Amino acid sequence: EDKVVQSPLSLVVHEGDTVTLNCSYEVTNFRSLLWYKQEKKAPTFLFMLTSSGIEKKSGRLSSILDKKELFSILNITATQTGDSAVYLCAARNSGGSNYKLTFGKGTLLTVNP
Amino acid sequence: SAVISQKPSRDICQRGTSLTIQCQVDSQVTMMFWYRQQPGQSLTLIATANQGSEATYESGFVIDKFPISRPNLTFSTLTVSNMSPEDSSIYLCSVLQGSGANVLTFGAGSRLTVL
Repeated sequence: EDKVVQSPLSLVVHEGDTVTLNCSYEVTNFRSLLWYKQEKKAPTFLFMLTSSGIEKKSGRLSSILDKKELFSILNITATQTGDSAVYLCAARNSGGSNYKLTFGKGTLLTVNP
Repeated sequence: SAVISQKPSRDICQRGTSLTIQCQVDSQVTMMFWYRQQPGQSLTLIATANQGSEATYESGFVIDKFPISRPNLTFSTLTVSNMSPEDSSIYLCSVLQGSGANVLTFGAGSRLTVL
């Protein structure tokens, strides 16, 4: 059974801190890993990673994938209160014409002023 | 990028009743996906809905409990039938976008509470 595990489950930091969120996966015929930010109900897309060792960056957020060790990390530098959210990691398998993501439970990040 | 509208945004329902959630996309899409997120849990795929064919359900989800309609390329509905408190969840409609249609984009979600 495909599985995605995120850690920590929750994290409380102060503004300006740097955080690292972890995601490990066991997925049959792995194809890509995606990160989402969920503030209220709808997750919003952050990154999609398909190749090992290539960092993706968007402002203060960055992410990298290790396909040998089956994990990914999401880094947020100089955190702001607006970064408070649940961060979801999801792994996609190569299911032919089907598209299926297996999600982790998420990391709840709270950034205090 | 496509705009995905869901309604209702939230509802409080009585045990034993059924509720239909609507999902409207502002562009034509081949596949639409329905996810559920129970409190404290990860998003779980309920089914994939293709226009003109029966929805494909994931293990643990059945058509009698979660009937889906997909009458055209921009619209789908999910019904949660004979609800129990365990059905209290956020239900999310989603479509594929991005280069190569590789990224799942979600609607705003429907938060259902069953009493």
